[in-house]
Amino acid sequence: RKEVEQDPGPFNVPEGATVAFNCTYSNSASQSFFWYRQDCRKEPKLLMSVYSSGNEDGRFTAQLNRASQYISLLIRDSKLSDSATYLCVVSRDNYGQNFVFGPGTRLSVLP
Amino acid sequence: DAGVTQSPTHLIKTRGQQVTLRCSPKSGHDTVSWYQQALGQGPQFIFQYYEEEERQRGNFPDRFSGHQFPNYSSELNVNALLLGDSALYLCASSLARGGVETQYFGPGTRLLVL
Repeated sequence: RKEVEQDPGPFNVPEGATVAFNCTYSNSASQSFFWYRQDCRKEPKLLMSVYSSGNEDGRFTAQLNRASQYISLLIRDSKLSDSATYLCVVSRDNYGQNFVFGPGTRLSVLP
Repeated sequence: DAGVTQSPTHLIKTRGQQVTLRCSPKSGHDTVSWYQQALGQGPQFIFQYYEEEERQRGNFPDRFSGHQFPNYSSELNVNALLLGDSALYLCASSLARGGVETQYFGPGTRLLVL
């Protein structure tokens, strides 16, 4: 089993739709969690950190369930510009070292 | 404020050759991590450099080595290239502050091994 697993995708949704991505991790000692976004043939860019209390940034909401070792990302009112691959990232320690990336979930928002 | 830069952008090598990739961290950052991203997969951690020393290492063979310079820039060296080393090599920089270190990625170097 991979250390970080994500919905395989791809997700094809119309503009304005709400879409949710799921991620599970196997290492219970994991300390820090992030969502990164990667556009085609570009580098990953930090979308948001994920906190135990859950956090929201505009149309994006991230949730963490440590007991179930599960992370989610919700995108509301999808825009064409949201089309990208979303990478779930888990850090094995509190210092953000040794990031473990999931394989990514590809999202296409259609007009 | 310059972000993370990497060179070269693209590289073509043949099996058995050696390659050196370079990374300059974001201004103010002191830690550099290297990742390998194969097509259709997430980045895989190779190693991380801090204070000119390898701080952590992922599951990569000794053919992969690195270096960090006093100005925090870094090099990734790969010896005896294999076809399977063809990938996007990403450098990420961060600032070690004793807490969670957000990593910022460079544009990557695309390596093709023939």
